[in-house]
Amino acid sequence: KQEVTQIPAALSVPEGENLVLNCSFTDSAIYNLQWFRQDPGKGLTSLLLIQSSQREQTSGRLNASLDKSSGRSTLYIAASQPGDSATYLCAGTGANNLFFGTGTRLTVIP
Amino acid sequence: ETGVTQSPTHLIKTRGQQVTLRCSSQSGHNTVSWYQQALGQGPQFIFQYYREEENGRGNFPPRFSGLQFPNYSSELNVNALELDDSALYLCASSLDQYNSPLHFGNGTRLTVT
Repeated sequence: KQEVTQIPAALSVPEGENLVLNCSFTDSAIYNLQWFRQDPGKGLTSLLLIQSSQREQTSGRLNASLDKSSGRSTLYIAASQPGDSATYLCAGTGANNLFFGTGTRLTVIP
Repeated sequence: ETGVTQSPTHLIKTRGQQVTLRCSSQSGHNTVSWYQQALGQGPQFIFQYYREEENGRGNFPPRFSGLQFPNYSSELNVNALELDDSALYLCASSLDQYNSPLHFGNGTRLTVT
């Protein structure tokens, strides 16, 4: 069974800092790896999707990487802003299922 | 392009009752999946439907069932509600199963008393 772990569970940084969120998974047989953000009491917003054949994806200040062989993905956020405060979740898509990590709660302090 | 909408937003039920939660996917999205999210946890995959047929299921008992309709709407039905079923239920739709990002609704908060 796929297990997805996210470290750290919570992170506080001052505005303007660059930061890295980590995601590790036990089963490398994934079709893709997705990163989401979730604001309190809300649904998830898709940030980046990396296909299993890709190494990274970029969108604005966000960059996600994928290393299937080591079972790791990272989300890099450049020049963090208070509006980036949210919980960030990664999820691996397997054959007819999808496994989420428990998330990293990010607080960006003005 | 409309997003994914879920109804109702909040619901309170009594243990043993049955509940139906509804989701309207984005037009053209053939795949819909449902998730249960307990407080402070990541979403847990319940099941997935592709073109009106279930094609994937997580570790949930048969009292969790679903339907997907041709008009891109879907339902999650839960029978014999238990206290532990209290959670945020999320649906997500996508163009296909493996190559497209998931688009989530804001969820239904179910409380079982």
